[in-house]
Amino acid sequence: GAVVSQHPSRVICKSGTSVKIECRSLDFQATTMFWYRQFPKQSLMLMATSNEGSKATYEQGVEKDKFLINHASLTLSTLTVTSAHPEDSSFYICSASLLANEKLFFGSGTQLSVL
Amino acid sequence: QKEVEQNSGPLSVPEGAIASLNCTYSDRGSQSFFWYRQYSGKSPELIMSIYSNGDKEDGRFTAQLNKASQYVSLLIRDSQPSDSATYLCAVNQGGGADGLTFGKGTHLIIQP
Repeated sequence: GAVVSQHPSRVICKSGTSVKIECRSLDFQATTMFWYRQFPKQSLMLMATSNEGSKATYEQGVEKDKFLINHASLTLSTLTVTSAHPEDSSFYICSASLLANEKLFFGSGTQLSVL
Repeated sequence: QKEVEQNSGPLSVPEGAIASLNCTYSDRGSQSFFWYRQYSGKSPELIMSIYSNGDKEDGRFTAQLNKASQYVSLLIRDSQPSDSATYLCAVNQGGGADGLTFGKGTHLIIQP
């Protein structure tokens, strides 16, 4: 199947700092990538849809100024958590699909811990 | 609002038995259905996809879809301890590159 690479896998940072997470599609071009967040023992919650060359579409309740998404190329999307706080500590996962309405391939996820 | 419901479990099944995982969804317009397996601390991996009513088999796994009842299930035959994980049901309404809506997952434990 398609490969989606995500890093870093784990980040520990101080409150108030910004953290950038990268998501790359290694063997295919992804015009659309998705960013999910998962709290312990909870489901994956879609945060935003990242579209190459245009602004991301954010889900209701997700602050676009706090979670900056850049999809500058067909193989790279980045999520920057700005001024991170302890409540932002979570497992962040990116994903992409080969075709619209098709299965998603997930990156390995990033465990963010904000102290 | 799209909703996907799963029993959180834990569901405990003896090794070698059949594990049955169930999922219901609220959006009648949903067209694509997926089962993902997620180990603790890891990202989900795709187990099965199903798009039309009926059964779809792949090795020890069988996905079942009933759109009239808005119900999708996953059967795991000859359960192995390595099948112990959280199984996520995901639904996509279709019609474009839309993110999936996930259920909270069912925690499956296969007892040796």
